[in-house]
Amino acid sequence: EPEVTQTPSHQVTQMGQEVILRCVPISNHLYFYWYRQILGQKVEFLVSFYNNEISEKSEIFDDQFSVERPDGSNFTLKIRSTKLEDSAMYFCASRGFTGGNYEQYFGPGTRLTVT
Amino acid sequence: AQSVTQPDIHITVSEGASLELRCNYSYGATPYLFWYVQSPGQGLQLLLKYFSGDTLVQGIKGFEAEFKRSQSSFNLRKPSVHWSDAAEYFCAVGPSNDYKLSFGAGTTVTVRA
Repeated sequence: EPEVTQTPSHQVTQMGQEVILRCVPISNHLYFYWYRQILGQKVEFLVSFYNNEISEKSEIFDDQFSVERPDGSNFTLKIRSTKLEDSAMYFCASRGFTGGNYEQYFGPGTRLTVT
Repeated sequence: AQSVTQPDIHITVSEGASLELRCNYSYGATPYLFWYVQSPGQGLQLLLKYFSGDTLVQGIKGFEAEFKRSQSSFNLRKPSVHWSDAAEYFCAVGPSNDYKLSFGAGTTVTVRA
């Protein structure tokens, strides 16, 4: 069964450093998302991406965040200057259309630890 | 705005007993509703979903959920839990267009022998 993959599984970085989280969505999907989950809290929507542009973003997704689909397969989330409060699990998701219904699949996540 | 409430933070159930997890949603139109499960250190796995049609939906791992529009609920059930069902369960709602999901706070299920 096709799946969304994410790398790395765990990233440790120092405050102020840039990080790039990578995702490979399911190949025939057209919509892509990033969510995050701070430890012990609910999963929160960050941004959605369609047709090579952001379609919606949350208040969390400020100027420090950016997304890109640099080629036909990867979908990346960049945090320019990390803060302690960026420590969280980041999930990538992609959405396709199967049998008349939309299906959204999540990757296994990248745990980001900012020290 | 869409939102989801999961009233139970933690539920403990005996192996073999039935399980019901509550989910209430707030959404202006017909929602797309989902249940995801997250095992420790793992990602989110889709258990089941409701888009339209039959209000009782079957999912993987023996789970089912019932959509009740009058109660704005989408409760998850399993007749007989297994120790491997110990995990955190998230209810989510999404609109029909952009499909951005809003998640509930989650319910942690502990299964005792």
